Amino acid sequence: DVKVTQSSRYLVKRTGEKVFLECVQDMDHENMFWYRQDPGLGLRLIYFSYDVKMKEKGDIPEGYSVSREKKERFSLILESASTNQTSMYLCASSSGTGGLDEQFFGPGTRLTVL
Amino acid sequence: DAKTTQPPSMDCAEGRAANLPCNHSTISGNEYVYWYRQIHSQGPQYIIHGLKNNETNEMASLIITEDRKSSTLILPHATLRDTAVYYCIARSRGNEKLTFGTGTRLTIIP
Repeated sequence: DVKVTQSSRYLVKRTGEKVFLECVQDMDHENMFWYRQDPGLGLRLIYFSYDVKMKEKGDIPEGYSVSREKKERFSLILESASTNQTSMYLCASSSGTGGLDEQFFGPGTRLTVL
Repeated sequence: DAKTTQPPSMDCAEGRAANLPCNHSTISGNEYVYWYRQIHSQGPQYIIHGLKNNETNEMASLIITEDRKSSTLILPHATLRDTAVYYCIARSRGNEKLTFGTGTRLTIIP
């Protein structure tokens, strides 16, 4: 069974802390994505990566960075967490074989910044 | 990619067909129509996609109008487990990104 896993389901951090959200996929996929989901706004793309060490900004990259040192792992970093980054964070991956492949999503991490 | 418009919510009786509409009047010729759904507390799940022909798989059917300005996702025999938010997305070939709107919250009534 194919899987995208995220390191935590729930996370509580304090303002100013550095936060790492980890995502791992076991499908040997080329592409990986980070979204955030907020009520009334749907899912918004933060960053995506189409290869190891490669990244592209999505629609809302401000306040975030990413790291992809290995193909199976994609990390989202909040350098200095703020309360407006309280949200549900979803990771996804896709095979990257021509643009029609589906994205597989992880279960999400609900982050609360106090 | 083209913007899509969906009703915010719908109800359907268990065992009946659920028909979820989507408007994509500005869709271009190389854009596909994708459907995903998100069950509460889970990540979105792919359902189906199509370009201009009707498509069917084990989960649903997708009917695209001839002018491609709208489509309907059909769940033929809805169950309580089909209660979810359903997203209709227009996506061009080669575009790895998905742009999610706010979707339709479908509630299956026992």
